[in-house]
Amino acid sequence: NAGVTQTPKFRILKIGQSMTLQCTQDMNHNYMYWYRQDPGMGLKLIYYSVGAGITDKGEVPNGYNVSRSTTEDFPLRLELAAPSQTSVYFCASSLKAGNTIYFGEGSWLTVV
Amino acid sequence: ELKVEQNPLFLSMQEGKNYTIYCNYSTTSDRLYWYRQDPGKSLESLFVLLSNGAVKQEGRLMASLDTKARLSTLHITAAVHDLSATYFCAVEETSGSRLTFGEGTQLTVNP
Repeated sequence: NAGVTQTPKFRILKIGQSMTLQCTQDMNHNYMYWYRQDPGMGLKLIYYSVGAGITDKGEVPNGYNVSRSTTEDFPLRLELAAPSQTSVYFCASSLKAGNTIYFGEGSWLTVV
Repeated sequence: ELKVEQNPLFLSMQEGKNYTIYCNYSTTSDRLYWYRQDPGKSLESLFVLLSNGAVKQEGRLMASLDTKARLSTLHITAAVHDLSATYFCAVEETSGSRLTFGEGTQLTVNP
């Protein structure tokens, strides 16, 4: 019953460092998403993918990169971390449009 | 650009009372989702509404969708403390690959 698994759960980064948030789903879902949630706010879409080898920008893609080499994995790369990237990051997946979207547990990132 | 607005953003109610949360959106869509989020936790799917006039109920929560008015409602009946959480609506663009979330309604149910 793994569902959507994100790692790490918590991370502190220094300004200018880089890191990758890992996301894996075991439901054979085609669609995968990365969202960020700032305190007291809704979720904003960073990047999404509708299948292996296909990615597209969401609402707030600047400062991030993604890849989708397999159906299961959708890592999010932060380059040159900035304090504005302090947030909670959620990975999500769904089988197709109009289906329930399942969220991971979230990754709490602080940039200092 | 699709915009999703929820109101109220904060709601404090007494146990046993009824209330409705509203979700308005700005462009054509017939797919709307409701989620619940407890503090420090992930999002839990409550309802998926896929057509005009769709109505779904689970326990004390009932959600409906009016695509012509671009409006969804989440009705709470006889609230209990366990319903305290933040509730989000999210609208899927007609292209079918992006969800836009509202800001959330923070619900507190007081004994």
